Amino acid sequence: NAGVTQTPKFQVLKTGQSMTLQCAQDMNHEYMSWYRQDPGMGLRLIHYSVGAGITDQGEVPNGYNVSRSTTEDFPLRLLSAAPSQTSVYFCASSYQQGADTEAFFGQGTRLTVV
Amino acid sequence: AQSVTQLDSQVPVFEEAPVELRCNYSSSVSVYLFWYVQYPNQGLQLLLKYLSGSTLVKGINGFEAEFNKSQTSFHLRKPSVHISDTAEYFCAVEYGNKLVFGAGTILRVKS
Repeated sequence: NAGVTQTPKFQVLKTGQSMTLQCAQDMNHEYMSWYRQDPGMGLRLIHYSVGAGITDQGEVPNGYNVSRSTTEDFPLRLLSAAPSQTSVYFCASSYQQGADTEAFFGQGTRLTVV
Repeated sequence: AQSVTQLDSQVPVFEEAPVELRCNYSSSVSVYLFWYVQYPNQGLQLLLKYLSGSTLVKGINGFEAEFNKSQTSFHLRKPSVHISDTAEYFCAVEYGNKLVFGAGTILRVKS
C-alpha cells in the first residue's frame, strides 16, 4: 500500500518556467490538499479538493493551479515560477467517516526557483 | 478564521527528561485537533488526534496530549524523551476537512 506518492522529490526551476508537481493516492480518499512548508511558518494550504471535479482555494493560492479529474490524482501546477515559490510542497489525502478523520501526507517535493 | 499558536519555536531537553510542547488554538466551535511529527527530510506522521470523548489522548511513541476546552489548549507531553524523538512537531486544527497548522516546535534531545 503506497499511500500518498509525490513526484519529483527534488526540482530546480528557473524563474518563469512552469512545471507540475504530481500527487497520487491509493486509499480512495475523497479529500486531497496541497500545502507548502516554509521555515517558521508551518504548513499553509494552497488548494484543496473534496472530490473529483471539485477544487477550491486555500490560504496561499496565487501562482498555482490544480485540477482533480480522478479520485487518485491531484496535480499542482506552477504557472510561472518565482523565487518566492521556493519551498517544500506536501500533498495530503484524508478521509471522513462519521466523527473520525485523518490526513496522510506524502514525502514532499523540495522546489528551488533560481 | 481558525489559528494555531505553538508557544515555543525550539525546546532543548536532556535525554530521559520529561517534555511538554505547548499548543493553543482559536475556535468558537467544536474542533478536531492533531499532533504531527516530522523527522528531517521526511513527510508528516500522525502522533495522535483528539476527535471527542476523553480529554487525555494517547498516541504513538509514548506521547500523550490533553485537550482543555476552557483554555483552548492541546499540549503534547512525554514523560521521558529519547534521542530519537529529535524532530519538529506540528499542532493542527481541522475544519471542513482542511488543516490549519501551527508554526512548529523543534524538539532537540541532548545526551
